[in-house]
Amino acid sequence: DQQVKQNSPSLSVQEGRISILNCDYTNSMFDYFLWYKKYPAEGPTFLISISSIKDKNEDGRFTVFLNKSAKHLSLHIVPSQPGDSAVYFCAASAGGTSYGKLTFGQGTILTVHP
Amino acid sequence: DVKVTQSSRYLVKRTGEKVFLECVQDMDHENMFWYRQDPGLGLRLIYFSYDVKMKEKGDIPEGYSVSREKKERFSLILESASTNQTSMYLCASSSTHQPQHFGDGTRLSIL
Repeated sequence: DQQVKQNSPSLSVQEGRISILNCDYTNSMFDYFLWYKKYPAEGPTFLISISSIKDKNEDGRFTVFLNKSAKHLSLHIVPSQPGDSAVYFCAASAGGTSYGKLTFGQGTILTVHP
Repeated sequence: DVKVTQSSRYLVKRTGEKVFLECVQDMDHENMFWYRQDPGLGLRLIYFSYDVKMKEKGDIPEGYSVSREKKERFSLILESASTNQTSMYLCASSSTHQPQHFGDGTRLSIL
């Protein structure tokens, strides 16, 4: 069973607009969440994370929102740039940390058009 | 900067062969992980290790084994390769308060 789900396989946005990537989870033991970005022929790179004690974390153009009651998190990219085009994976941990075992979603392909 | 190096970018093997995938990290990280990435399934954890000579099963360990004889090296072994093990394999390492850092992957084809 998929404990972390990204239900949108792809998303297409115009440069300068907002990109919103969504992620749902089912395991209530998850208490730390991360987003990774992956370009073709490269490994995933860490983007941003959030602990379950927070509902928002911001880093430049990237903001992650966590709704624990809905078991839902989202990644907002504002403004979107063509270089943001990549596959985005959300991941969850039950250990309260970013460095332990992670469960990943299926990924969402983001395409930002100039 | 953390560097995780996977020994091969592309590998082609035959059914039934024993296959070794090697991963080396240069940051003295305690934790190392092996994932496979398949379309529509995301990254799935095969095995991980929190210390030398320690290993724990991930979500899909069947058909795989691992070896960690030195802190910097984590090997994934396909005991008898099968076509359903054709995939992208990703190695990662992490340390306390540092998220997992990934290598660039090995695209393995089993014919």
